[in-house]
Amino acid sequence: ETGVTQSPTHLIKTRGQQVTLRCSSQSGHNTVSWYQQALGQGPQFIFQYYREEENGRGNFPPRFSGLQFPNYSSELNVNALELDDSALYLCASTQGANNEQFFGPGTRLTVL
Amino acid sequence: GESVGLHLPTLSVQEGDNSIINCAYSNSASDYFIWYKQESGKGPQFIIDIRSNMDKRQGQRVTVLLNKTVKHLSLQIAATQPGDSAVYFCAEIGAAGNKLTFGGGTRVLVKP
Repeated sequence: ETGVTQSPTHLIKTRGQQVTLRCSSQSGHNTVSWYQQALGQGPQFIFQYYREEENGRGNFPPRFSGLQFPNYSSELNVNALELDDSALYLCASTQGANNEQFFGPGTRLTVL
Repeated sequence: GESVGLHLPTLSVQEGDNSIINCAYSNSASDYFIWYKQESGKGPQFIIDIRSNMDKRQGQRVTVLLNKTVKHLSLQIAATQPGDSAVYFCAEIGAAGNKLTFGGGTRVLVKP
């Protein structure tokens, strides 16, 4: 186990709704990254937070947003859900840059 | 959980044989590479990493080779075991050090 936890494990939403996913980092890690993994593909980088500030963003629209809290836990928010948002959402924590990222088990989001 | 490897290339290997998984990367500026193992319903799990100033690194039953000239990475698993059955991804971190870029993945099936 990596010490990174995510909630919920599964979630079903309908198009147009909003969703919030949560991640608790491994103890001592100040950096968290979020990834989207569609079925049969590798994870795609959404964004990273370092000490509560966004520190890089992938090719995702603004309706994907995030927060990092003083205890370094994090949220991923997705507004106006679309069918293609159905995926496994992974968070990964690390200490600083260019270091091993430890992944949580993911949240499986299904949009109907 | 659902399989993450429904449409991925598959390597079938006999238990006890060696496995070799290959990966091509695109960013010549990448300086840190990681191999991850992902079992069904779980997040990616770190296997081994290598920095760009090295061309080989060994772990327990695993070896990673890096050829920067042709931008190629390989993972060798010695004496493959049933527990090695999973999807394997290579990933690279660029100069900014803030995001992992994953390759397409290879599913390894170990036959008893």
